[in-house]
Amino acid sequence: QSVLTQPPSVSGAPGQRVTISCTGSSSNIGAGSDVHWYQQLPGTAPKLLIFGNTNRPSGVPDRFSGSRSGTSASLAITGLQAEDEADYYCQSYDSGLSVFYVFGTGTKVTVL
Amino acid sequence: QVQLQESGPGLVKPAQTLSLTCSVSGDSVSSGAYYWSWIRQHPGKGLEWIGLLYYSGSTYYNPSLKSRVSMSVDTSKNEFSLKLTSVTAADTAVYYCARRSWGYNAYDPNNWFDPWGQGTLVTVSS
Repeated sequence: QSVLTQPPSVSGAPGQRVTISCTGSSSNIGAGSDVHWYQQLPGTAPKLLIFGNTNRPSGVPDRFSGSRSGTSASLAITGLQAEDEADYYCQSYDSGLSVFYVFGTGTKVTVL
Repeated sequence: QVQLQESGPGLVKPAQTLSLTCSVSGDSVSSGAYYWSWIRQHPGKGLEWIGLLYYSGSTYYNPSLKSRVSMSVDTSKNEFSLKLTSVTAADTAVYYCARRSWGYNAYDPNNWFDPWGQGTLVTVSS
């Protein structure tokens, strides 16, 4: 039921920069709804990584950054570290489906 | 520090009702400042929003589950609950409870979920 599309996987060597896209539509991201990002380490619950498109909660390294433009958003990880290997999900609000909250399809980040 | 903890049976038979409770510590479900939510994740899959609950009892459900889901709050125990009726194997998932960030109302478009409970795996099988 995901209406936000993410690439299934991205990979990079330690120290590199990777980006994850989150593509929505005119009823969610394109309508101006904020995008938020979560990191899910293996076997754990999702953890808030970015809120309000670009904001990091306390404790989240500044290696993580978010942006939004048009009907899509992106999460960038610079200086990739082994501990960043996880699944990442975007989330937004959809005004057209009565579903309220929609999540991305998820992206597995692999550190080579 | 706000913490959420899910509890309930890990195994439910087909056609029965799945019942889970989320215990909240470090915050009050009746403060009125936040909405509370259930989210699930099928094995190896993405996240699916189930519903939203306010301390007053107002609820908002995912249309795909609306005919089978109900959520309620027990302010005396500082917890909220999920019930999903007529379950099938397709309801096998890890169920998370989470707090929605502050918003003007249920329809505020700029909210996120934090914190989350650790999640509980519910398997539907005979």
